[in-house]
Amino acid sequence: EADIYQTPRYLVIGTGKKITLECSQTMGHDKMYWYQQDPGMELHLIHYSYGVNSTEKGDLSSESTVSRIRTEHFPLTLESARPSHTSQYLCASSVPRTGFNEKLFFGSGTQLSVL
Amino acid sequence: ILNVEQSPQSLHVQEGDSTNFTCSFPSSNFYALHWYRWETAKSPEALFVMTLNGDEKKKGRISATLNTKEGYSYLYIKGSQPEDSATYLCASIVGATNKLIFGTGTLLAVQP
Repeated sequence: EADIYQTPRYLVIGTGKKITLECSQTMGHDKMYWYQQDPGMELHLIHYSYGVNSTEKGDLSSESTVSRIRTEHFPLTLESARPSHTSQYLCASSVPRTGFNEKLFFGSGTQLSVL
Repeated sequence: ILNVEQSPQSLHVQEGDSTNFTCSFPSSNFYALHWYRWETAKSPEALFVMTLNGDEKKKGRISATLNTKEGYSYLYIKGSQPEDSATYLCASIVGATNKLIFGTGTLLAVQP
């Protein structure tokens, strides 16, 4: 059973607010990821990290930022939320191996709605 | 193809039917092919990670095959049950990005 947690599960917020989506894992995984999914669309990688103090942008441009100060924690922040940020955000982690032949463990996601 | 494509987009079957769906991916620079099951209100869960041409993997009533030369993978479900209802996602490396690219998924609904 995977131990990766995301909070909140649902968030409805007004335009202009600063928000942080939390993601924590207790498996000691070095690699962590944030994916964004709009309804009917693919999961798009927006941020990833190979370990503490490592963060990289994914293949989908995002106005969000991430930090990795501790192995187990990979929060995502939007400084000023807009309606275009309305989406589902999924956090994932994996055991570090060469490339991507290790399976991902996903959190349950945060459904964000910006009014 | 430059993306990961899945078909069909959705599928409705009766309990007990066997079914299969397809994932197509670029065959150049192939590294690995992942299958995930995503049930409503739950987290996506890994089913298989496949790396070798001709790989076949099985987990209970679910199995998958891989053809890296032609760029496709099939997922088979034998004797579908209502609890198999979920979105099935596949993902692969595309080009030289070294990033996992997901398809849009196949939504399976199994009617009791």
